[in-house]
Amino acid sequence: SQTIHQWPATLVQPVGSPLSLECTVEGTSNPNLYWYRQAAGRGLQLLFYSVGIGQISSEVPQNLSASRPQDRQFILSSKKLLLSDSGFYLCAWRGPGQGNTGELFFGEGSRLTVL
Amino acid sequence: AQSVAQPEDQVNVAEGNPLTVKCTYSVSGNPYLFWYVQYPNRGLQFLLKYITGDNLVKGSYGFEAEFNKSQTSFHLKKPSALVSDSALYFCAVRDMRSGNTGKLIFGQGTTLQVKP
Repeated sequence: SQTIHQWPATLVQPVGSPLSLECTVEGTSNPNLYWYRQAAGRGLQLLFYSVGIGQISSEVPQNLSASRPQDRQFILSSKKLLLSDSGFYLCAWRGPGQGNTGELFFGEGSRLTVL
Repeated sequence: AQSVAQPEDQVNVAEGNPLTVKCTYSVSGNPYLFWYVQYPNRGLQFLLKYITGDNLVKGSYGFEAEFNKSQTSFHLKKPSALVSDSALYFCAVRDMRSGNTGKLIFGQGTTLQVKP
């Protein structure tokens, strides 16, 4: 069966420090991968998605970047964190070949607090 | 523009009573619709989806949703609420402008509070 892992689960970082959140998927190949941010416990905003290794699409201009160095690994990064980067970051995947009908499966999230 | 609206920030229901969480959508073409549930400090869990076929879709944990094309709605329902159903619920629609990327557009979420 497929599983998705995110770490760290919780992170407290000072303003201006770097960030690296990691997401890995097991049990599938060539998944579509997504990074969402949830602010204030409510709506979700799509930040990045990837349909393959090295292929990253950014949805909104921001202080963050994403990379996909391996098929099932998706990394969210920042060189210098801002207070506004605080939030709950969710990684999700969708299996290949599902067209537009397949649901997304989410990880347990990483809560980032920037002080 | 494509969008999803969840008009209620919070829904309160007594345990054992039926519950409805509302969702309306705006997309071009046929919609692909999804419901997710989120417990505090957890990721989203998939409940059910409508792609085509019967307007009443059954999902996990006894939930179901009714697709109504004329009203552009996809309300989540459960005949008898449990205290453990208390959580944040998200409706989502497939972004049909994005090709085969699978992107979802989410509503703002509705908090369901089930009281004993």
